[in-house]
Amino acid sequence: DVKVTQSSRYLVKRTGEKVFLECVQDMDHENMFWYRQDPGLGLRLIYFSYDVKMKEKGDIPEGYSVSREKKERFSLILESASTNQTSMYLCASRKGGLSTEAFFGQGTRLTVV
Amino acid sequence: AQKVTQAQTEISVVEKEDVTLDCVYETRDTTYYLFWYKQPPSGELVFLIRRNSFDEQNEISGRYSWNFQKSTSSFNFTITASQVVDSAVYFCALSESNNNDMRFGAGTRLTVKP
Repeated sequence: DVKVTQSSRYLVKRTGEKVFLECVQDMDHENMFWYRQDPGLGLRLIYFSYDVKMKEKGDIPEGYSVSREKKERFSLILESASTNQTSMYLCASRKGGLSTEAFFGQGTRLTVV
Repeated sequence: AQKVTQAQTEISVVEKEDVTLDCVYETRDTTYYLFWYKQPPSGELVFLIRRNSFDEQNEISGRYSWNFQKSTSSFNFTITASQVVDSAVYFCALSESNNNDMRFGAGTRLTVKP
């Protein structure tokens, strides 16, 4: 069974902290994604990676960075967490190719206080 | 610019009613794919269906059906005889030929009441 695993289900961090959200997939997928889900705004793409060490900005990259040192792992980094980054974060992976579906993790609900 | 629009934020129906979820997309590509996902209360998105831009045949899977119309750039999803277990947030998504990414709409929250 395919699996995308996010390291934490719930996280509470303080303003200004550096925060790491980790995501691991076991399907050997080339592409990995980080989305942010907010009520009324749906899933907004933060960053994605199409290969190891490769990354591209999505629609809302400000305040975030990513790291992909190994194919199976894609990390989202909040350099200095702010309260407006309180949200649900969803990681996804997808095999290369236009027709392939994305597989999602269970999500990390991050609260910045 | 929003590439996928789901204008219905929330829909509430009574069990056994039929319900249609709308999805309108925007792309300049001639080759693209559209997807529907379901997000139940547990939170994990589940893939439902994909449709490529060259195939306008409607698809039916049990109580679910999908209507793809290129002329109106729409890919609507109908649930027939809805059930309480259909309650979820449903997302439409677009994958274009010149991108590796997948863009989602804002989602429609469907509540089916007993």
